Amino acid sequence: AQKITQTQPGMFVQEKEAVTLDCTYDTSDPSYGLFWYKQPSSGEMIFLIYQGSYDQQNATEGRYSLNFQKARKSANLVISASQLGDSAMYFCAMREGRDQFYFGTGTSLTVIP
Amino acid sequence: NAGVMQNPRHLVRRRGQEARLRCSPMKGHSHVYWYRQLPEEGLKFMVYLQKENIIDESGMPKERFSAEFPKEGPSILRIQQVVRGDSAAYFCASSRQGAGSYNEQFFGPGTRLTVL
Repeated sequence: AQKITQTQPGMFVQEKEAVTLDCTYDTSDPSYGLFWYKQPSSGEMIFLIYQGSYDQQNATEGRYSLNFQKARKSANLVISASQLGDSAMYFCAMREGRDQFYFGTGTSLTVIP
Repeated sequence: NAGVMQNPRHLVRRRGQEARLRCSPMKGHSHVYWYRQLPEEGLKFMVYLQKENIIDESGMPKERFSAEFPKEGPSILRIQQVVRGDSAAYFCASSRQGAGSYNEQFFGPGTRLTVL
C-alpha cells in the first residue's frame, strides 16, 4: 500500500481564492509526522508546514494550514488567499518511527490571475 | 547560515561513465538522506546515512549505486556505469537528529543528472 497518496495531479485556483490539496497516509505507527513541501519550477524543495500525530490542534503557518483528520488519516493542505507565486508542485510527506520520509507523487497547483 | 549544499547542480554523463554527487549537510546536522526524483514524479527515498554509517539503504538499487558519508567531508552518492534511466534529479537532505517524529529535513537544491 502507498504510504502517502495525493489524488490530485493538477489543481487550478483563482488568485485570492483558497485551495485545498488532498493527502492521505497509511501507517500503523502511533508516532508520526506529516509535512508539506513546495517545489517551484526552479526545483528546490521548500518546507511549508508540519503536523505531529499527537498534536491536538491543526498546524498553521501564515497562509498555510493543515486540516488534520487523524481517524480518516488525512492531512490536507489549505492555502488561503492564493497568490501567483503559489504556483508550484506540492508534496505531502510522512515520517514514521525511524527516519525515512515517504513522499506522495505531488499536486501541481496553478494560480490563475 | 549556509543551507544544504549540493554539487554539481547539473551533471551530464555518457552511458557507462561514473557520476559522483556531493552533499554537504547544514552545519550541526549529522544525518543525511538521498532521494531521487524522476521527471513528473515525487521523491523516492534512496539511503539514509550518519557519519561513517549507512543506516537505511532500502531504497538504493542493488547494483551500481553506493553512498558514503565519511567522518570528514561531504556525503557522496556514486553511480557507476550510468544508464539513461538514471537521468533524474537527486536531492540530498539533512537533519539535526535522527530520532523522533518531528525532525524536519532541509533539502539541498538538487543535482540534475542527464545521461546521454
